[in-house]
Amino acid sequence: GAVVSQHPSWVICKSGTSVKIECRSLDFQATTMFWYRQFPKQSLMLMATSNEGSKATYEQGVEKDKFLINHASLTLSTLTVTSAHPEDSSFYICSARGPGLAGGRLSEQFFGPGTRLTVL
Amino acid sequence: AQRVTQPEKLLSVFKGAPVELKCNYSYSGSPELFWYVQYSRQRLQLLLRHISRESIKGFTADLNKGETSFHLKKPFAQEEDSAMYYCALVHAGNMLTFGGGTRLMVKP
Repeated sequence: GAVVSQHPSWVICKSGTSVKIECRSLDFQATTMFWYRQFPKQSLMLMATSNEGSKATYEQGVEKDKFLINHASLTLSTLTVTSAHPEDSSFYICSARGPGLAGGRLSEQFFGPGTRLTVL
Repeated sequence: AQRVTQPEKLLSVFKGAPVELKCNYSYSGSPELFWYVQYSRQRLQLLLRHISRESIKGFTADLNKGETSFHLKKPFAQEEDSAMYYCALVHAGNMLTFGGGTRLMVKP
């Protein structure tokens, strides 16, 4: 249980285009989803937190108009990188947590496999 | 502000040797800490959490509030333990701050 998927797993786009990444919780309802960015050989940096039905909370330094997050349902959150540029190339990872998980694991996050974005 | 520090980027040991991956944290509240592991070409997954006081795959970690540490230990490393290990701190109820990660290489 507690599986999170991401789509696509790898995307290449031209500079100036927008790219949408989907994050789905497959077998649980994710009241909260998180989006991270990971540069090569570096750790995960939290970009934003989204709660179902409300606006995302962005970390300091993350442009909300560039990284649009929508959490329209309890099983789906999307991250849209608008007007992508080469410096946006990175590995984007989502995670999800939700109520009702066994053993009081309310603070545990389950991670997706990540999406590698390459902007040419 | 909260902070998690993993001082070693790379730790290389021989199979059967003891392993200790260091993690130090700073946090004004009551800490809740995790160790996550990322095997090659796989997603990040939870290894263990301090409140469970469990041993997973032979790994243990004890929270030392006096030293603000949560070091990960295993008495006898195996080759399949080779992976990236991340220490993480929960704050604001549900947000994770990750350390920089330590790559563990277990040589045959």
